[in-house]
Amino acid sequence: DGGITQSPKYLFRKEGQNVTLSCEQNLNHDAMYWYRQDPGQGLRLIYYSQIVNDFQKGDIAEGYSVSREKKESFPLTVTSAQKNPTAFYLCASSNPSGQLAKNIQYFGAGTRLSVL
Amino acid sequence: RKEVEQDPGPFNVPEGATVAFNCTYSNSASQSFFWYRQDCRKEPKLLMSVYSSGNEDGRFTAQLNRASQYISLLIRDSKLSDSATYLCVVNIFAGKSTFGDGTTLTVKP
Repeated sequence: DGGITQSPKYLFRKEGQNVTLSCEQNLNHDAMYWYRQDPGQGLRLIYYSQIVNDFQKGDIAEGYSVSREKKESFPLTVTSAQKNPTAFYLCASSNPSGQLAKNIQYFGAGTRLSVL
Repeated sequence: RKEVEQDPGPFNVPEGATVAFNCTYSNSASQSFFWYRQDCRKEPKLLMSVYSSGNEDGRFTAQLNRASQYISLLIRDSKLSDSATYLCVVNIFAGKSTFGDGTTLTVKP
């Protein structure tokens, strides 16, 4: 089955620790995204990548880092500089080429990160 | 002002009711528009795209008014299973979307 896989489903971070969230897709999509969702709020864009080896900061990139070494993979590292990391993290992918009407984002099941 | 604003809700309606959600966007260069549905503690899933001519999918109708920079979603004959949060999504350019904060709908027996 084609889709987006995020792991782990739940993650706990100790103070001062860096943690990495995994996102893998087998949809052959060029673009991938990371969002953060806090309770009762919408999605805020952390980073996005439209092509391998290139990525752009979103609206709330501070305290986060990403890499895009392979088309299928877009891991997100939550660094110790992110002082309030507790949130629901969602990874998405899309094919932005062609008609914009078809630039639909598909999401993984998410990772819930909490601070110990 | 947020780039995408939705009715704050929550909406609590009885089964069989008709309910409408509204969404406004600030960037007149926005190019494509969608409604997503998000169930509690789950990922968002595409409900429908929104076109200027209006489009319908069963009990759901979406409308776009570019002049007023306004998007709507109408749900007819509400079902218990329609209870969810509905997210308005606007693409400013290819590959980058802005999400509204969502409107929560609860359909009661």
